[in-house]
Amino acid sequence: AQSVTQLGSHVSVSEGALVLLRCNYSSSVPPYLFWYVQYPNQGLQLLLKYTSAATLVKGINGFEAEFKKSETSFHLTKPSAHMSDAAEYFCAVSGFGNEKLTFGTGTRLTIIP
Amino acid sequence: EAGVAQSPRYKIIEKRQSVAFWCNPISGHATLYWYQQILGQGPKLLIQFQNNGVVDDSQLPKDRFSAERLKGVDSTLKIQPAKLEDSAVYLCASSSEVGGWETQYFGPGTRLLVL
Repeated sequence: AQSVTQLGSHVSVSEGALVLLRCNYSSSVPPYLFWYVQYPNQGLQLLLKYTSAATLVKGINGFEAEFKKSETSFHLTKPSAHMSDAAEYFCAVSGFGNEKLTFGTGTRLTIIP
Repeated sequence: EAGVAQSPRYKIIEKRQSVAFWCNPISGHATLYWYQQILGQGPKLLIQFQNNGVVDDSQLPKDRFSAERLKGVDSTLKIQPAKLEDSAVYLCASSSEVGGWETQYFGPGTRLLVL
């Protein structure tokens, strides 16, 4: 069975500050890891994904995440927060073959002007 | 390229009534998923289709939920009869292939409120 844990259901950062959203995973097989963003009343949009190539993954809107096997982590970062980054962020895990995508409970990011 | 389309966007029904949701995936995408997202939680997979065949429906409450994907394109998810705990956003997603590494593209969702 696979699972992800997102630490912090709510995170607030000032505009221009570093964004750090935490995700730890549990998987019995080599994982594929994803970060999705959800804006109010919209579906989920892929930010980035790790599929066993480079451990540092760059995504859209200036976000990146680093796969750390020793720490079973896949934290999402952005050097400088923008007001438009306010949204809900979901970490998700799947595995080789047809392992279904399992989502975390989400982190709501608020940007303080 | 058009995204995943869903309708209706909002639905309010009373418990014990029935309701149906429609999804049109991205053109050419063979795999289609239905998720349930309860407020404050991440999406949970209900059913996965590959073309018009079911790949995984292990978390679908089959006593009240049903889904079909006739002709391997559009899909319909039905709830009959609805319960209060079915209030949620129902998301449809599609991907070009089956595989854990595949990116899933999500529609805007249907927000269901059961009174």
